[in-house]
Amino acid sequence: AQSVTQPDIHITVSEGASLELRCNYSYGATPYLFWYVQSPGQGLQLLLKYFSGDTLVQGIKGFEAEFKRSQSSFNLRKPSVHWSDAAEYFCAVAPTGTASKLTFGTGTRLQVTL
Amino acid sequence: GAGVSQSPSNKVTEKGKDVELRCDPISGHTALYWYRQSLGQGLEFLIYFQGNSAPDKSGLPSDRFSAERTGGSVSTLTIQRTQQEDSAVYLCASRRYNEQFFGPGTRLTVL
Repeated sequence: AQSVTQPDIHITVSEGASLELRCNYSYGATPYLFWYVQSPGQGLQLLLKYFSGDTLVQGIKGFEAEFKRSQSSFNLRKPSVHWSDAAEYFCAVAPTGTASKLTFGTGTRLQVTL
Repeated sequence: GAGVSQSPSNKVTEKGKDVELRCDPISGHTALYWYRQSLGQGLEFLIYFQGNSAPDKSGLPSDRFSAERTGGSVSTLTIQRTQQEDSAVYLCASRRYNEQFFGPGTRLTVL
C-alpha cells in the first residue's frame, strides 16, 4: 500500500529565512504528487502538483517542489518565508488514473518567528 | 466561481444520535470525495463518488457510516449512532482533471 512520510512534525523558521519541508513516499510506481496547505480553521489549498515532466514544479505563493525519483522524495521549498506562511503543510500522493484518491502524510506544522 | 461548500460548519451532537453532513461540489465536477481529519488518524480517505455511484467505499470505518450523492451534485455523509471517536473534521473535495478542490470542512463533536 502506498504511504507518505513527512518526518518533521513541527518546524520553526525566522521570517525571511529559507524553508524546506520533506516528503518521502512509498509506492509501486511514480504517483501523482501534491502539496497542500491548511491554515487554522480552513480547508486544504493546493500549493502545487507533479504529474510528469520537469521535476522542478512551481506553485502558488512562491513555493516550489522538486521530484527526485531516486529518493522517492518531493520536498517543498521557499526561498524566503513570510509570517503569513505559518500553517500546516501536507504532502499527498494519488495513483495515476481516474480514481485518484489522495493518501496524505501526517503534516508539518510551520511556525514563523518575526 | 464558487468553491466547494459544506454544511454545517460545526455540529455538536450527543453520543448515539445520527448526523448528516452535506457537501456541495463545484458545478460540473463529476468526482467527489469525502475525507476525515482527526488528531489520532490524520487525514484519511472515506469514500469516492463518480457521478452518483460510489466505486470506492474502502475508507468508511464502519457500517454506521454511509454516503449518497444525488443528481451528480450534492452529497450527504450520514453517521448513525455516533460515537465519541467519530469526532473529527469531515472534508469534502470535488475533482477536475487530477486536482481536488476542498471545502472548508464540517467539525463534528460527539459528546
